[in-house]
Amino acid sequence: NAGVTQTPKFQVLKTGQSMTLQCAQDMNHEYMSWYRQDPGMGLRLIHYSVGAGITDQGEVPNGYNVSRSTTEDFPLRLLSAAPSQTSVYFCASSYGSAGGIEDEKLFFGSGTQLSVL
Amino acid sequence: AQSVTQLGSHVSVSEGALVLLRCNYSSSVPPYLFWYVQYPNQGLQLLLKYTTGATLVKGINGFEAEFKKSETSFHLTKPSAHMSDAAEYFCAVSDWISGNKLVFGAGTILRVKS
Repeated sequence: NAGVTQTPKFQVLKTGQSMTLQCAQDMNHEYMSWYRQDPGMGLRLIHYSVGAGITDQGEVPNGYNVSRSTTEDFPLRLLSAAPSQTSVYFCASSYGSAGGIEDEKLFFGSGTQLSVL
Repeated sequence: AQSVTQLGSHVSVSEGALVLLRCNYSSSVPPYLFWYVQYPNQGLQLLLKYTTGATLVKGINGFEAEFKKSETSFHLTKPSAHMSDAAEYFCAVSDWISGNKLVFGAGTILRVKS
């Protein structure tokens, strides 16, 4: 059981380039989300999805796009990378929500370290 | 808006000593509270959570936390630290209204000295 798989693990971009961070889960989870982790700031929610075709913004959505065409995949797109987007990105999934239901929890991927020069 | 404050970005304890990591939250409705742990170069794992019911919550690896509404706190404790507990710990909050949005604290790095 692979869980939550993120690719690539490392990426270096130049300012203005675009790219897509991939996230896939094989647990049939409806809820998927993207966080960025910056030193001293914890994790901040970028976008999330409660099912195929449904997405919503989190705390820091600017500069990022998402779509959810299948239950398994939830890619994060950087349209025009900026140095402020240098961060570690985590994808997380769960059955229905961010964990407010009994016996529910977020499963995290191992992260993508992104540097924008 | 919800928020989480973790007191102390770094905590150092000796092996065998009590671990106490502090978390205070702000929420206008009854909160759901979580502690996650992150080992180096890994994603986060859930240690424990409080949604409703018993205010003392037991988690994995001997950790527990107590929800204290009057103090708006959810401190994490472990009676005896082990070297393998060295990691970064995050407190997080959500609620039944914004249940799909989890707000994390800044994290506390726990160092365990031999």
